Amino acid sequence: GIQVEQSPPDLILQEGANSTLRCNFSDSVNNLQWFHQNPWGQLINLFYIPSGTKQNGRLSATTVATERYSLLYISSSQTTDSGVYFCAVPDTGNQFYFGTGTSLTVIP
Amino acid sequence: KAGVTQTPRYLIKTRGQQVTLSCSPISGHRSVSWYQQTPGQGLQFLFEYFSETQRNKGNFPGRFSGRQFSNSRSEMNVSTLELGDSALYLCASSLGSPGEAFFGQGTRLTVV
Repeated sequence: GIQVEQSPPDLILQEGANSTLRCNFSDSVNNLQWFHQNPWGQLINLFYIPSGTKQNGRLSATTVATERYSLLYISSSQTTDSGVYFCAVPDTGNQFYFGTGTSLTVIP
Repeated sequence: KAGVTQTPRYLIKTRGQQVTLSCSPISGHRSVSWYQQTPGQGLQFLFEYFSETQRNKGNFPGRFSGRQFSNSRSEMNVSTLELGDSALYLCASSLGSPGEAFFGQGTRLTVV
C-alpha cells in the first residue's frame, strides 16, 4: 500500500501563531484529503486537493503531486484549531491510507 | 443535506459476542468505506462497498464482514469479539469511487 508520513507528530503553538503541517506520500495519487479530527472522533473535511493550492479562511493547502507532498497552513491559530490533523490518499477506489497525524495544541 | 450517520455511537460488548454497526451515507452517495482507529495502529481501512458490491478489502481477519443494501446503507459485523477489537469504527461515504470521502461521527466499541 501507499506509505503516508506526516510531520511534525506534535506541535504546540501560542494563539495567533502560524504553522505548517507536512504530508509526504510514496506513490502517485489522484486525490488527497486533509481532515481535522474533533475531540469526539469525527473526521472533519478540510480540503480535497489532489494538486494545486486551495484556501478556506485561515487555512490553506498546497499539493505538489509530482513531488509527492502536501502542506497544510494554519494562520493566526486559535484554541479551537487544537486537535489531530490527518492527510489521506487513496489507492484503488476509496481505499484511503492515512498518515499518523499531527497533534496540534494551541494555548491561549 | 444530512451527513453520514452511524449508529450506535457507543457500544460495550463482551468477548466472544458479535456486533453489528450501521452506516447511512449521504443521500445519493453509492460508496461506503469502513475504517478502524486504534491508538496503536492508527486509521486502517477495513472494506469498501459500491453499489452493493465489495470493491476492496483491507488486511483484517474474516471475523470482520460487511454488506451494503440497495439504498446504499451499509452494515459492518464483527463476530467472536476480542479485546483488541476495541476501537473507534468510522464509516465514510463518497459519491463515486474514487471520490471525496465524508466521514460519520463513528461508533466507539469497547470489548470487555
